[in-house]
Amino acid sequence: QQPVQSPQAVILREGEDAVINCSSSKALYSVHWYRQKHGEAPVFLMILLKGGEQKGHEKISASFNEKKQQSSLYLTASQLSYSGTYFCGTEGVGSGNTGKLIFGQGTTLQVKP
Amino acid sequence: DTGVSQDPRHKITKRGQNVTFRCDPISEHNRLYWYRQTLGQGPEFLTYFQNEAQLEKSRLLSDRFSAERPKGSFSTLEIQRTEQGDSAMYLCASSLAPSGGNTIYFGEGSWLTVV
Repeated sequence: QQPVQSPQAVILREGEDAVINCSSSKALYSVHWYRQKHGEAPVFLMILLKGGEQKGHEKISASFNEKKQQSSLYLTASQLSYSGTYFCGTEGVGSGNTGKLIFGQGTTLQVKP
Repeated sequence: DTGVSQDPRHKITKRGQNVTFRCDPISEHNRLYWYRQTLGQGPEFLTYFQNEAQLEKSRLLSDRFSAERPKGSFSTLEIQRTEQGDSAMYLCASSLAPSGGNTIYFGEGSWLTVV
C-alpha cells in the first residue's frame, strides 16, 4: 500500500516549474510532503488534510484530490536549493492523525544553473 | 537549536553486538516516532509513543528491537544481536498532538552500519 510517486526523477533549469505526483490505492486522511538532501533529515514542506485544509511552505503549493487519493506538489520558479529527493507520506483514514506515515519511493529533483 | 536531536549520528558495529540510539524530541512534543530508512527508499514506520505509552509497533520491528520513552521525554531504540540487514538510517521524529494536521518533524538520523 505504498503510495506511488511520479516522475521518479526530473532535471530542471533554474526558474523552471515542476510537478510531483503521489497516488495511493486507499482512502487518505492526510498527505505530507518532505524534501531530503543526501545524508540529511527529511524536511517538512507541506501537509494536506482530508477536507481541504492546507499548510506549508511559502513558495511551494500542493493539491489533494480526496476522491482519487492523489496529491500533487507544485514547485514554481525552481532554485538550486530545491534539489533533493521529495517524498510524500500518506496517512490512511484508518490511521487518522496518528502520524503513522507510509512513504512513497521518492522523486529525485535536480536543478541546474 | 530546538529541533529533534539524535545520538550517535553514526555507529559501526560488529554483527551480533547490541546498539542503542537516543532521541530527544522537540520540547513539549508529546508524540515521538521511530522510522527506518535504507538507501534509495522512503522512511518506514517502526513505532510511536504518545507521552510514555508505546501505542503502535510495526511488523518490521522484530523481537530484537525495543524502544522506550520512560518519562515521556527522550526515547531510546535498542537493537540486540545486530544483523547486516539492520544497516540503515534510524530516524526519530516528533509532533504535537492532537493539533491540526499533526506536522511531524524529523531529526538528522542515526546511521547504523553492521559489519
